[in-house]
Amino acid sequence: QVQLEQSGSELKMPGASVRVSCKASGYIFNSYGMAWVRQAPGQGLEWMGWINTNSGKPTYAQGFTGRIVLSLDTSVSTTYLEISSLRADDTAVYYCARDRRAAGPAYDYWGQGTPVIVSS
Amino acid sequence: DIVMTQSPDSLAVSLGERATINCKSSQTVLYTSTNKHYLAWYQQKPGQPPKLLIYWASTRESGVPDRFSGSGSGTDFTLTISSLQAEDVAVYYCQQYSLNPITFGPGTRVDIK
Repeated sequence: QVQLEQSGSELKMPGASVRVSCKASGYIFNSYGMAWVRQAPGQGLEWMGWINTNSGKPTYAQGFTGRIVLSLDTSVSTTYLEISSLRADDTAVYYCARDRRAAGPAYDYWGQGTPVIVSS
Repeated sequence: DIVMTQSPDSLAVSLGERATINCKSSQTVLYTSTNKHYLAWYQQKPGQPPKLLIYWASTRESGVPDRFSGSGSGTDFTLTISSLQAEDVAVYYCQQYSLNPITFGPGTRVDIK
């Protein structure tokens, strides 16, 4: 069965960087892209970007360009989200989601979420 | 960017009654090459990731109960829960995926009256 397993929770100081991983299993990894969505406490869903797992080409939401990097390692079916220059308002749960837009079903599987807390 | 709005912000419905959530996009989400509306609905329960319910505005995802249905076209869409069950208490989000950046509505909270 399809599973997206994310890395564990993180506590970071302001100005630091964090890397969150998302390991896919149960399907052919490069058949679908991977998106990243975050959710601040008590808030809605915010799209951060997605990565084409065939070409490795990332696309970022405008508000995150220059501060996040999406990457992948096809040998271990894993995508990564790295955020630099962390601020308190980056405190959120970060989700990866399988991107099946081209086939219709949008984001059909999601990781369990990785809480990132930014605090001094 | 396509802005998504939802109404109401929250609603409380008696068990077995109908719940209706509206979603409006600031421009069409019709993808002309496929003639499909790239509009999805998600359900999120506390402490869980979102769950896909509906895609292409009206196609139910596999395994989703048939009391959930989606409708609409152009810029106006609706999610209907025909007979609310206790397990349907959640926040519901619409999402457009026709154009980057992908955008979500602010969510509608559904509770039991």
